[in-house]
Amino acid sequence: DQQVKQNSPSLSVQEGRISILNCDYTNSMFDYFLWYKKYPAEGPTFLISISSIKDKNEDGRFTVFLNKSAKHLSLHIVPSQPGDSAVYFCAASYRDDKIIFGKGTRLHILP
Amino acid sequence: GAVVSQHPSRVICKSGTSVKIECRSLDFQATTMFWYRQFPKQSLMLMATSNEGSKATYEQGVEKDKFLINHASLTLSTLTVTSAHPEDSSFYICSAQSGDRNINYGYTFGSGTRLTVV
Repeated sequence: DQQVKQNSPSLSVQEGRISILNCDYTNSMFDYFLWYKKYPAEGPTFLISISSIKDKNEDGRFTVFLNKSAKHLSLHIVPSQPGDSAVYFCAASYRDDKIIFGKGTRLHILP
Repeated sequence: GAVVSQHPSRVICKSGTSVKIECRSLDFQATTMFWYRQFPKQSLMLMATSNEGSKATYEQGVEKDKFLINHASLTLSTLTVTSAHPEDSSFYICSAQSGDRNINYGYTFGSGTRLTVV
């Protein structure tokens, strides 16, 4: 049973445009959500997070939106840059328990 | 703050031998460390959770006799792949929990180890 789902395995976006990566979850007990970025042959690096008591968190070019009623979150990157090309993992956690990852979305930023 | 060092970054071994991967928290004490495995085009699969001074908790389907985890100190956890086979070839990543939510929500990842069994 996949508790965190990223239904788009890949996404291509023109440089300078907005990249929107989506994530759905099934466990309503999750209270913290995170996005990680991963380059090939490297460990994931933390990007941005959001607590379940919020619906938006912004950090520079990155904004995460949380819609609890829909059990959906999204990561917006604007403007998209070539260095943003990577795999993005959505993750969720409940009360400091282990993180549950989605399968990832590979983002390609096109020149 | 919160740096995790994983070593080696890349290892090639012969089938039937054992390989040890180290995960160190450099500037914080990690009471809990996690070991993940990443298959091609797939997500990070949690293999086990290790707590300092106690036995690791393995996820369903992970062979604990094959993937030996030791967390002897608050800054070091090791994963030993015993009697490695080609199907064990993968990318292994560790994560250490710092307990400080202000730092990556307390989770910091190592840089990963690419294991190739020939």
